[in-house]
Amino acid sequence: KAGVTQTPRYLIKTRGQQVTLSCSPISGHRSVSWYQQTPGQGLQFLFEYFSETQRNKGNFPGRFSGRQFSNSRSEMNVSTLELGDSALYLCASSLTGQRNQPQHFGDGTRLSIL
Amino acid sequence: AQTVTQSQPEMSVQEAETVTLSCTYDTSENNYYLFWYKQPPSRQMILVIRQEAYKQQNATENRFSVNFQKAAKSFSLKISDSQLGDTAMYFCAFMSHGGATNKLIFGTGTLLAVQP
Repeated sequence: KAGVTQTPRYLIKTRGQQVTLSCSPISGHRSVSWYQQTPGQGLQFLFEYFSETQRNKGNFPGRFSGRQFSNSRSEMNVSTLELGDSALYLCASSLTGQRNQPQHFGDGTRLSIL
Repeated sequence: AQTVTQSQPEMSVQEAETVTLSCTYDTSENNYYLFWYKQPPSRQMILVIRQEAYKQQNATENRFSVNFQKAAKSFSLKISDSQLGDTAMYFCAFMSHGGATNKLIFGTGTLLAVQP
């Protein structure tokens, strides 16, 4: 069974640009969560989607947005990129989104802002 | 708001020895979940072990076990017979039982180095 797939693996952008990251969950999983990992702030929750609906959003500015498609694949978008957006972005999926379901993480997308 | 604290930024252990990683958390909730995740240099976050707060019995998974002290809000991870492949960053994480979200709150991590 294929794991959580995140694309691209690496991305380099410049300030002011926008970027879209993709996450394909494990087949059958309907919940997708996104996290930002930086050396300074650690791992921070961005948002969670379940059945195409955003269930929760972390404390990030409106430049960070996401969506989920009917096949459960999810994308996150960051507009007007800032240097501080340089981070590893991790996606996690779970079967139903219930607490007793383990979350499976992808390898992440390393975003570097120049 | 819930917080998770890992007070050991780095630890080192000899191969085949036992090591314990510390984690404390703060919450006003009675029911919740606690996790230990491992992140090797490959970057993928891997679930090591999970504890449900309403279960008094400490969780175990092969060489990994936890010491869950609910009153003290402590959740330490013990790794027995350490192997070179255990070298990784270890994160303690908290998840609420209530509410409609799967949000994980992570600690800052402990970098574990297993020495040959």
